[in-house]
Amino acid sequence: ETGVTQTPRHLVMGMTNKKSLKCEQHLGHNAMYWYKQSAKKPLELMFVYNFKEQTENNSVPSRFSPECPNSSHLFLHLHTLQPEDSALYLCASSRGDRGQTYEQYFGPGTRLTVT
Amino acid sequence: SQQGEEDPQALSIQEGENATMNCSYKTSINNLQWYRQNSGRGLVHLILIRSNEREKHSGRLRVTLDTSKKSSSLLITASRAADTASYFCVGGSNYKLTFGKGTLLTVNP
Repeated sequence: ETGVTQTPRHLVMGMTNKKSLKCEQHLGHNAMYWYKQSAKKPLELMFVYNFKEQTENNSVPSRFSPECPNSSHLFLHLHTLQPEDSALYLCASSRGDRGQTYEQYFGPGTRLTVT
Repeated sequence: SQQGEEDPQALSIQEGENATMNCSYKTSINNLQWYRQNSGRGLVHLILIRSNEREKHSGRLRVTLDTSKKSSSLLITASRAADTASYFCVGGSNYKLTFGKGTLLTVNP
């Protein structure tokens, strides 16, 4: 399988639930990203991992907890979410290098609904 | 990171026509990238132009970059209904990308 995959594609969860989103890339990249896309708002960068180290946390609430066990996998652990957290969550990967910006390859996203 | 500001916000054309979208950014960049997002194929990288390049082609796409004016343009020639999507420009100055609101292109059959 090639590219960037995300599971699940759709998720409905209550505010007291705990769930995790998974992202996997098969491109040999060293940087991985989580983005949030809400209706009528620009894509928002949440977290960046470069060579498995978190290099960016864009003031994301602690109810979102990322995990990057290796360069190919990225998780987003969710707990005690709010209805306003309902959005499309996109994962992306790219070559890793702090000094350059490379093209990013995006997964299909997880459509999250918090009830 | 650089947030691009795309213009126009929405564009509607007939199939076969050319579509031009513009972008402005505020500070120095290493490269500028264009992305497309539609419901069928998600968010996809289209083309990257380096700061020392002025023009680049890829298939039906033509991108220009004017670093003195901090602006870029994306031309799609002979548009197709499948080109209907939102288009985003993103200036790259480190490993982060910051997306703007994009241009919504509608190609009518």
